[in-house]
Amino acid sequence: QVRLVESGGGAVQPGTSLRLSCVASGFTFASYPIHWVRQAPGKGLEWVAVKSKDGSNMHYADSVRGRFTISRDNFKNTEYLQMNIVRPEDTAVYYCARDGPGIDYWGQGTLVTVSS
Amino acid sequence: QSVLTQPPSRSGTPGQRVIISCSGSTSNIGSQNVNWYQQLPGTAPKPLIYHSDQRQSGVPARFSGSKSGTSASLAIIGLQSEDEADYYCAAWDDSLKAVLFGGGTRLTVL
Repeated sequence: QVRLVESGGGAVQPGTSLRLSCVASGFTFASYPIHWVRQAPGKGLEWVAVKSKDGSNMHYADSVRGRFTISRDNFKNTEYLQMNIVRPEDTAVYYCARDGPGIDYWGQGTLVTVSS
Repeated sequence: QSVLTQPPSRSGTPGQRVIISCSGSTSNIGSQNVNWYQQLPGTAPKPLIYHSDQRQSGVPARFSGSKSGTSASLAIIGLQSEDEADYYCAAWDDSLKAVLFGGGTRLTVL
């Protein structure tokens, strides 16, 4: 069955970096774009970024553009979110999610807490 | 501030029909497909509707989606207690080159 498992979350200080990973299984990873979506505590869903399945296009939310970078390794069935210069407002549960059709499968999420 | 506008809350009694609206613009709902998600507390969102009116596999037929112009709706008929959750609409915005989520609607089953 389709499975997405995020990891890499934790508590970090403002201005530092963190890399999240999303390992996929149960489907042909290279055939689907993967999104990152986050949810701050008690808040709604906020889309973060997406990379096309062939890697030719990447799109980011304004709130993270220039600080976050999405990448993928199709051989490892893994999507990454490199988070640089993190801010307290980046505190959230980060989900990776498959696109096809619509966002149809979600991981369980990984919590990132940015605090001094 | 969400560019897709949803009512913050809706409520209904068991068996009732409830509609949750989602309002956008020509660059998102007006020209793109709308997706709907259900989120229970402490869990990941569950996809309900894709391509504006198609149910995801396994979603009961009492959930339906529709779109007209720059607005979309999620209808739930025969409301059940387990439908109490947060509901989100989402659509790609071709001007912003971004996925937009609505602010979410908390559905309470009285």
